[in-house]
Amino acid sequence: DAKTTQPPSMDCAEGRAANLPCNHSTISGNEYVYWYRQIHSQGPQYIIHGLKNNETNEMASLIITEDRKSSTLILPHATLRDTAVYYCIVGNAGNNRKLIWGLGTSLAVNP
Amino acid sequence: DVKVTQSSRYLVKRTGEKVFLECVQDMDHENMFWYRQDPGLGLRLIYFSYDVKMKEKGDIPEGYSVSREKKERFSLILESASTNQTSMYLCASSPWVGKETQYFGPGTRLLVL
Repeated sequence: DAKTTQPPSMDCAEGRAANLPCNHSTISGNEYVYWYRQIHSQGPQYIIHGLKNNETNEMASLIITEDRKSSTLILPHATLRDTAVYYCIVGNAGNNRKLIWGLGTSLAVNP
Repeated sequence: DVKVTQSSRYLVKRTGEKVFLECVQDMDHENMFWYRQDPGLGLRLIYFSYDVKMKEKGDIPEGYSVSREKKERFSLILESASTNQTSMYLCASSPWVGKETQYFGPGTRLLVL
């Protein structure tokens, strides 16, 4: 399974968009990009996933580059409750049992 | 909504004790997982189960065993707890195949003295 690279920490002002980057240069054709987040002292929470098209849901948008070697998670209007560690993971759709977790990006949303 | 519950949020045990961590999910998911999470190391997979009575070792199974007698319940067992097993333990579940995600419980913070 491919691995990912994320910046260890980022800051964002409340109400502004938070753009969290992720590099996954060794991703293979059948691997999805997943984003989770973990608020302090809680279990990780699924945010969004995609294969090659951009995706949007009520929580966030996911932009995947055409070569699929990187992606960006966008929180359009960050709030204080979005302060969390955000994990970018790549995994095989047919084998969701083996997701390789990195250390993620610690996002601080400031008032 | 999928709900994954874990038996305890916080647990304190002594070295050498046998420890049971219980996890229950209510979505009829085939797959269940146990992870531990430590600062600087991220989430590491201990064991997973893809069916009742079926299990596979993850990346760090040493010192642990698991039990899955019913589809909704997956137990992690520390046969003889040691201080290096002090950690946050996270349970998750997911459907059998497809791009569906893993759903996590709130975690159990275990302290072994």
